[in-house]
Amino acid sequence: DIQLTQSPSFLSASVGDRVTITCRASQGISYYLAWYQQKSGKAPKVLIYAASTLQSGVPSRFSGSGSGTEFTLTISSLQPEDFATYFCQQFNSFPLTFGGGTKVEI
Amino acid sequence: EVQLVASGGDLVQPGGSLRLSCAASGFTFSDHYMHWVRQAPGKGLEWVGRIKNKAESYTTEYAASVKGRFIISGDESKNSLYVQMNSLKTEDTAVYYCARAARYGGTYWVDYWGQGTLVTVSS
Repeated sequence: DIQLTQSPSFLSASVGDRVTITCRASQGISYYLAWYQQKSGKAPKVLIYAASTLQSGVPSRFSGSGSGTEFTLTISSLQPEDFATYFCQQFNSFPLTFGGGTKVEI
Repeated sequence: EVQLVASGGDLVQPGGSLRLSCAASGFTFSDHYMHWVRQAPGKGLEWVGRIKNKAESYTTEYAASVKGRFIISGDESKNSLYVQMNSLKTEDTAVYYCARAARYGGTYWVDYWGQGTLVTVSS
């Protein structure tokens, strides 16, 4: 199975900060990676797919990059509504797997 | 508007069975792949399984942790996705989400999630 390791697992930041979350795959997955945002008690929401394609309706302050084994999700200027947990997921091969999550708090 | 409404979650004893449903609307159900993903209380996300679309014969794939116990199916006439869960274990306790996948650039990516339904396996 492909392991996805997210770092950091916890991040403390302020409104306006630039935030970067990393997702490392245990083997190459090309660009088959998605990013999700999950707020407490809610379903996840798609932010990015194909490593760098912004899902329709997602603010442009979110961006994704990377390929192969290393990927990043960047929030260019953190907004109050961005405080949440972020997960990556690989679609390269079965079983599909998720990273452990990164909680972004004030 | 795409909507996915999961239901059927309940308290069930270990060894028991349960069927979850996911009612889909706002799109043509038979055109899309669908996934089940679960989240144990306070934990991360775990992929459960996926069913392909009608054109690809509703082929399924499962996580090893549920293979042989869970069966994913779809009913085009009811625009609904199901997961039949048998031989339930305490570690199956989780919120279960259904999610739609759409084809972008040759790959089916998850683009919408339902709200989740809670399954508790306990004696």
